[in-house]
Amino acid sequence: DAGVIQSPRHEVTEMGQEVTLRCKPISGHNSLFWYRQTMMRGLELLIYFNNNVPIDDSGMPEDRFSAKMPNASFSTLKIQPSEPRDSAVYFCASRNSGGPYNEQFFGPGTRLTVL
Amino acid sequence: SQKIEQNSEALNIQEGKTATLTCNYTNYSPAYLQWYRQDPGRGPVFLLLIRENEKEKRKERLKVTFDTTLKQSLFHITASQPADSATYLCALGAGNQFYFGTGTSLTVIP
Repeated sequence: DAGVIQSPRHEVTEMGQEVTLRCKPISGHNSLFWYRQTMMRGLELLIYFNNNVPIDDSGMPEDRFSAKMPNASFSTLKIQPSEPRDSAVYFCASRNSGGPYNEQFFGPGTRLTVL
Repeated sequence: SQKIEQNSEALNIQEGKTATLTCNYTNYSPAYLQWYRQDPGRGPVFLLLIRENEKEKRKERLKVTFDTTLKQSLFHITASQPADSATYLCALGAGNQFYFGTGTSLTVIP
């Protein structure tokens, strides 16, 4: 298995532009998570899907952020309009919620820089 | 609000010694606690899970303890090696809620 796949790996954009981050979870996993990681705030959970349905989006910072999961093999996180304070590494993780350890498998992350 | 604190941001130890990392939490009663390892430029990787009714778990050179009275977990790496150098994150989970600590950077000096 290729693991969780994220694209792009790096994104540099200007303030005000729309940014779309993509994630392909591990096949067979039924839960998907989006996280943001910064030095100041560590790893923050943004939103969590179970069986393609958003369960908890309380971590989404504001309306500029939106996430979708149209099917079991694809999810997007969109920021519109982007701001410099959105600069961070964004991780996608997936999990088989029926597994014994509840561990999450993380992708390599997307490093976003908003100028 | 939920607060998870991991001991010092950075920990340096000599090769061969035991590294002990601390995870303290408040305002929460997790059903389980996990430890992850994160290397620079990569996502976290799961290491161990310990449930609320378990006191201790071991895996090779790793040992985790969980004290729900003290609201604390300790993570030990015995016979540490330079390859153990990384950031270690604790994470609390229950149902739909999942919180990560800010991590402790461990450096094992040869």
